[in-house]
Amino acid sequence: DSGVTQTPKHLITATGQRVTLRCSPRSGDLSVYWYQQSLDQGLQFLIQYYNGEERAKGNILERFSAQQFPDLHSELNLSSLELGDSALYFCASSVEAGSGYEQYFGPGTRLTVT
Amino acid sequence: DQQVKQNSPSLSVQEGRISILNCDYTNSMFDYFLWYKKYPAEGPTFLISISSIKDKNEDGRFTVFLNKSAKHLSLHIVPSQPGDSAVYFCAASGEGSSGDKLTFGTGTRLAVRP
Repeated sequence: DSGVTQTPKHLITATGQRVTLRCSPRSGDLSVYWYQQSLDQGLQFLIQYYNGEERAKGNILERFSAQQFPDLHSELNLSSLELGDSALYFCASSVEAGSGYEQYFGPGTRLTVT
Repeated sequence: DQQVKQNSPSLSVQEGRISILNCDYTNSMFDYFLWYKKYPAEGPTFLISISSIKDKNEDGRFTVFLNKSAKHLSLHIVPSQPGDSAVYFCAASGEGSSGDKLTFGTGTRLAVRP
């Protein structure tokens, strides 16, 4: 158990809908990352928050957004869902920002868009 | 452009023998390297890491070697155990201003035969 929690574990929804994925980092970790794992793309970085502020963006679609709240939990919002958005979404956390800190991953949310 | 490459999609090893997993990278900005182990339907589990200022790091049965001139790292597992059977990902960070994000390889599936 990494100490990172994600809900829900599974999500099935239809095209065009909007969903919210939730992540609670390890106790004391200030930095939260979101990654997407799809069959053909491997694990891809989406976005990072540090202590409530956006710190870095990867290949995140404009239909996707995220935020980190004062209690440091984070939410990833996916809207106007398409079939290609079906993937595993992982949240990770690290104690600080910057290279050189291990990232600990949650169990993931499996999103299926039908 | 795959900046972190794991050219062996699979590896099979006898229990008790050494497992060697390899990883190559192309971006000379990377300064921190990590190995993760992943079971199906679970998040990646952190195993071991190495900073670019070192060439070796050891933790129990796991040793990571870094050859910066060759842009190559390897993970040695000795002795291999059936419970080590999983997909192993190498990852790197330190790239430019978004230094925190991890760039992952495509993974190597390790099977340890009893």
